[in-house]
Amino acid sequence: EIVLTQSPGTLSLSPGARATLSCRASQSVSNNYLAWYQQKPGQAPRLLIYAASSRATGIPDRFSGSGSGTDFTLTISRLEPEDFAVYYCQRYAPTPYTFGQGTKLEIK
Amino acid sequence: EVQLLESGGGLVRSGGSLRLSCEASGFTFSNYAMNWVRQAPGKGLEWVSGVTGNGVSTSDADSVRGRFTISRDNSRNTLYLQMNSLGAEDTAVYYCARRNYWGALDIWGQGTMVTVSS
Repeated sequence: EIVLTQSPGTLSLSPGARATLSCRASQSVSNNYLAWYQQKPGQAPRLLIYAASSRATGIPDRFSGSGSGTDFTLTISRLEPEDFAVYYCQRYAPTPYTFGQGTKLEIK
Repeated sequence: EVQLLESGGGLVRSGGSLRLSCEASGFTFSNYAMNWVRQAPGKGLEWVSGVTGNGVSTSDADSVRGRFTISRDNSRNTLYLQMNSLGAEDTAVYYCARRNYWGALDIWGQGTMVTVSS
């Protein structure tokens, strides 16, 4: 079973800064079946990125995804106050659809 | 509006059973695979089970295989999760989520809390 390891565990940044979140897989993720989700306290997760680099509907262009194989990155170009949340990566094919343990993005 | 609404959560004793439901609206339910994902208090996300649009094929995480059963009724636009032999480790918020054309989970319900007491 593929394990996804996210780093850092917590990232402290100021609004306006650039955020770089990492997701590393223990084996290659086939066809770049890698997604990123944002979750705020008390809310359900929200899909941000699928297929490693495609933005989901309605997601601002300050969010971008990159990478392939075993190394993937979510970049937020200029942090807005509403971007402070927990971010998860996920391999969504084949099963099991593994999630990373999450990166908490907090206000510095 | 595309929406998923879970129900059926609650407090159950260890070893007991519970059935969760997820009612879909705003889209053609039978065209989409559906999944259950859970989140234990203060923890990360864990995929639980998935089912194809026609309900023929299912998949389960190792942690629930043989205890949980996912199913769907496309005539009622409803997804189910039958949970048996519940243990404390199953305490979590359970979300239903739609799997989009590319495979990612693009629509999520608000979640329903399941608490297993000993």
